Amino acid sequence: GAGVSQSPRYKVAKRGQDVALRCDPISGHVSLFWYQQALGQGPEFLTYFQNEAQLDKSGLPSDRFFAERPEGSVSTLKIQRTQQEDSAVYLCASSLGPHSEAFFGQGTRLTVV
Amino acid sequence: AQTVTQSQPEMSVQEAETVTLSCTYDTSESNYYLFWYKQPPSRQMILVIRQEAYKQQNATENRFSVNFQKAAKSFSLKISDSQLGDTAMYFCAFMYGGSQGNLIFGKGTKLSVKP
Repeated sequence: GAGVSQSPRYKVAKRGQDVALRCDPISGHVSLFWYQQALGQGPEFLTYFQNEAQLDKSGLPSDRFFAERPEGSVSTLKIQRTQQEDSAVYLCASSLGPHSEAFFGQGTRLTVV
Repeated sequence: AQTVTQSQPEMSVQEAETVTLSCTYDTSESNYYLFWYKQPPSRQMILVIRQEAYKQQNATENRFSVNFQKAAKSFSLKISDSQLGDTAMYFCAFMYGGSQGNLIFGKGTKLSVKP
């Protein structure tokens, strides 16, 4: 595609619900990153994929967060049993390689009520 | 651990004037990259400018330039001839050269360009 696409753009979840956020990276991009951006803050790294391999998940805040990229293209970030502190914008970025320019999607704004 | 500090939560500038946004960082690494990203209300992060730490020359991109002071660990962004479309959040970011490419961001500076 022309850019990184994320869906949905907005998601409201009741506390305790599971949610799934989707990221379609730029075709051919090997590297894929997920970030969490709380209100009024800068993005914080969650996890990194190189093709289908999840090489770094050190930023995932709890075991309720799970990410996958099974075929090395589309990625899904899943949050189980959502809590209010999970409310944030979730940004996805992709790049050709580790130190190439990262292109960001428009993010998914998750609100947990 | 690397940290990035942006000490100006908000700034404003008149259209056509020049503004400088500040950023300092802390690292013990010698191989790293620094970035300025723009985030308009659409939320999409857009790369403004990039600087490799090993390069002494300051990066420039049209109206955007940086003042990279490696010893002081300072990386400020200068926007010349400010335009209304420059209104956005600006984030300074650090990338360790030995990493997979994940970015460490500051808290951002909200820039308003006034007509």
